[in-house]
Amino acid sequence: SQQGEEDPQALSIQEGENATMNCSYKTSINNLQWYRQNSGRGLVHLILIRSNEREKHSGRLRVTLDTSKKSSSLLITASRAADTASYFCATVFPYNTDKLIFGTGTRLQVFP
Amino acid sequence: NAGVTQTPKFRVLKTGQSMTLLCAQDMNHEYMYWYRQDPGMGLRLIHYSVGEGTTAKGEVPDGYNVSRLKKQNFLLGLESAAPSQTSVYFCASSYSSGGGRETQYFGPGTRLLVL
Repeated sequence: SQQGEEDPQALSIQEGENATMNCSYKTSINNLQWYRQNSGRGLVHLILIRSNEREKHSGRLRVTLDTSKKSSSLLITASRAADTASYFCATVFPYNTDKLIFGTGTRLQVFP
Repeated sequence: NAGVTQTPKFRVLKTGQSMTLLCAQDMNHEYMYWYRQDPGMGLRLIHYSVGEGTTAKGEVPDGYNVSRLKKQNFLLGLESAAPSQTSVYFCASSYSSGGGRETQYFGPGTRLLVL
């Protein structure tokens, strides 16, 4: 399976703290996307990083990509209770750019 | 603008029964996808379509069929449901694949329980 693995599987923090979650994959990619899923809902796109980019920011989100280690990280700064959700990375492989391959997800709980 | 909608929201089936899940999008997207989500497994792609009249297999296509007769609709069929198909099913669409740079927009999901 080409499915990515995310680490940790679950993360609990207090409001105001930073949350970091990691995604590892197995083969070369074209780009990597991060999505958020609130409980019982569909996924919502957060950010995309291309294979030739190393870091990208969007508001309180910071994504890094290390293609040599085949890994990416998502940092959420100054977490809020509303950030409580599951976060998934999704990779696009050069051999088929029509498909996203989703990771197993990190469940983030932010306590007020 | 409703985005991506899915029908039904929840369904209980007995083993061997058949059903069709409907996905509709009003964003004029070319690409549509069906995923299933199981605990601890993330999302796995069942089938997808790159345009009206086309379909292709994803990672876990066995036991499912799809049709894309109209651009805005993507149907997922279970001919003979099995308990292993108990899952939450998500539909998604995107304008194109754009080399994988396009955002996918997701529906709210359909919870299916097969007894």
